[in-house]
Amino acid sequence: RKEVEQDPGPFNVPEGATVAFNCTYSNSASQSFFWYRQDCRKEPKLLMSVYSSGNEDGRFTAQLNRASQYISLLIRDSKLSDSATYLCVVNIANTGRRALTFGSGTRLQVQP
Amino acid sequence: GAGVSQSPSNKVTEKGKDVELRCDPISGHTALYWYRQSLGQGLEFLIYFQGNSAPDKSGLPSDRFSAERTGGSVSTLTIQRTQQEDSAVYLCASSLGVSGETQYFGPGTRLLVL
Repeated sequence: RKEVEQDPGPFNVPEGATVAFNCTYSNSASQSFFWYRQDCRKEPKLLMSVYSSGNEDGRFTAQLNRASQYISLLIRDSKLSDSATYLCVVNIANTGRRALTFGSGTRLQVQP
Repeated sequence: GAGVSQSPSNKVTEKGKDVELRCDPISGHTALYWYRQSLGQGLEFLIYFQGNSAPDKSGLPSDRFSAERTGGSVSTLTIQRTQQEDSAVYLCASSLGVSGETQYFGPGTRLLVL
């Protein structure tokens, strides 16, 4: 089983739609959680951290469910510019290192 | 300010040759990471440097891969006797390495082994 699993998509949605991605992680010792965004042929960039209480940044809302070991990302009022691959990222504390474990990503395509 | 830089941006080599990839982290960042991303795949951790501590090499796929970080700044990833399966984008990231976990990525080096 992969340490971080995501639905690869693609999710094809019209502009203005609301779309949600889920991600599950296998290691209950995971401490830190993030969503990164990666545009085609570009490097990943931090979209937002995910906090236990849930957090919102404009049109983006991230939630963490430790009991079920999943993380979600909600995008409201989708824009064409939101088209990208969204990477679920976890810091697994008991590996003794600070490197991140990346999911394979969920591809979003927002259509006009 | 300047971000993470990597060179070369693209590298084409023949099977069996050695290659060196360079990463220049953000100034002041003590932690440096190398990842590999194959086409359509997620990121695979390779190696991690933190200050003067011994590097975490647990992600290196074979002994053909090695990395150094000189003076706590610039890092070089070396792949000896390259194979076609080494073709990928090699990404370097850096972070403050103290309390912050956010990693900032360089643009990557696209390696193609013919």
